[in-house]
Amino acid sequence: AQSVSQHNHHVILSEAASLELGCNYSYGGTVNLFWYVQYPGQHLQLLLKYFSGDPLVKGIKGFEAEFIKSKFSFNLRKPSVQWSDTAEYFCAVTPNRDDKIIFGKGTRLHILP
Amino acid sequence: DTGVSQNPRHKITKRGQNVTFRCDPISEHNRLYWYRQTLGQGPEFLTYFQNEAQLEKSRLLSDRFSAERPKGSFSTLEIQRTEQGDSAMYLCASSPRWGQNYGYTFGSGTRLTVV
Repeated sequence: AQSVSQHNHHVILSEAASLELGCNYSYGGTVNLFWYVQYPGQHLQLLLKYFSGDPLVKGIKGFEAEFIKSKFSFNLRKPSVQWSDTAEYFCAVTPNRDDKIIFGKGTRLHILP
Repeated sequence: DTGVSQNPRHKITKRGQNVTFRCDPISEHNRLYWYRQTLGQGPEFLTYFQNEAQLEKSRLLSDRFSAERPKGSFSTLEIQRTEQGDSAMYLCASSPRWGQNYGYTFGSGTRLTVV
């Protein structure tokens, strides 16, 4: 079935560690790709998006993601995490430039102070 | 611009009762989306509107669910004869017309508990 897969359900890191959260999708054709973040008690917020052009996308708060078309991947990275990055992160795709966004199951990130 | 507003924030209802949720999108956004999120899952698409027209409904949206956006502004989601499996966070989002190009702005959600 077509889907968005996030490899890690729960990640625990210490402050200043590097972060990479995996995301793969199974839709063919042209896609738009997103990472959303949900901080504790808050609503979903857009972290970054890929529409076209440079496959390395920079978002807010020092996050970046790389679109690798051949691997159907859009992994999220941050060189040095902070305690305030504790949140749930969702990878999302609009398949074939469809009108609706399809979300992965999310990765819960916990940063130890 | 006060963002996307959803009411109520929480709703507890007895099984079999009807419930209605309201979403007020960002005023200049003509697209409005409803999603459902359960514990340990990402948001699941339910339906979306462009202005007052409902353009797509998910198979998740059974006959007990109905959504409206009568004047192309706010939207309501009604669940009739609620079941325990309906317990979830119901999320509303809005976007300009080509939402897939921009991403959506989400509201804080309505948490439904069916007892």
